[in-house]
Amino acid sequence: KNQVEQSPQSLIILEGKNCTLQCNYTVSPFSNLRWYKQDTGRGPVSLTIMTFSENTKSNGRYTATLDADTKQSSLHITASQLSDSASYICVVSDRGSTLGRLYFGRGTQLTVWP
Amino acid sequence: EADIYQTPRYLVIGTGKKITLECSQTMGHDKMYWYQQDPGMELHLIHYSYGVNSTEKGDLSSESTVSRIRTEHFPLTLESARPSHTSQYLCASSFSRDGWAQEKLFFGSGTQLSVL
Repeated sequence: KNQVEQSPQSLIILEGKNCTLQCNYTVSPFSNLRWYKQDTGRGPVSLTIMTFSENTKSNGRYTATLDADTKQSSLHITASQLSDSASYICVVSDRGSTLGRLYFGRGTQLTVWP
Repeated sequence: EADIYQTPRYLVIGTGKKITLECSQTMGHDKMYWYQQDPGMELHLIHYSYGVNSTEKGDLSSESTVSRIRTEHFPLTLESARPSHTSQYLCASSFSRDGWAQEKLFFGSGTQLSVL
């Protein structure tokens, strides 16, 4: 069964600290992996898209890694800010159809305290 | 900032009412999607469209219907709302010309529906 598991479910950190969010997946065949940020009451916003051949991708203070062999990805946030408080969603797509089916994780709820 | 708009943002209605959730995008995207999301849970695809007059059901069984008469407009209709329909509904769009590996989904802000 194709699944996407994220950990931790929730995380509280102090402003300025770094954190790492994890994503494990069993989706096969793999096409790409995406990280989204979803603010409360808003729609998700894309942070990164990583294909099979990419190991690391950065977007400002966000750095995503991908290990396609172990089917793991991480999202590292550097020097956290209050505005980083949100749910971070890992999304994996397969190559099983022209739709490129998307599998969503339940997200990690990050809270940054001052 | 994504140019995809959903209305209303919040809706509270009684059981049995017919409702239409609106979604419009001004980016010229050919693909559009409707997702359902409950608190702390993953998004579930309920409908999608690859272009005008093209609509398909998604993974999650839904009693809703959609139409795609214009490229920019993808409304979702519930003929008879029930309390089990209470959820957040997210509309999204993408451009197939980007190629699937780099195709980026743009989401609206969602409609929070409460059926009493």
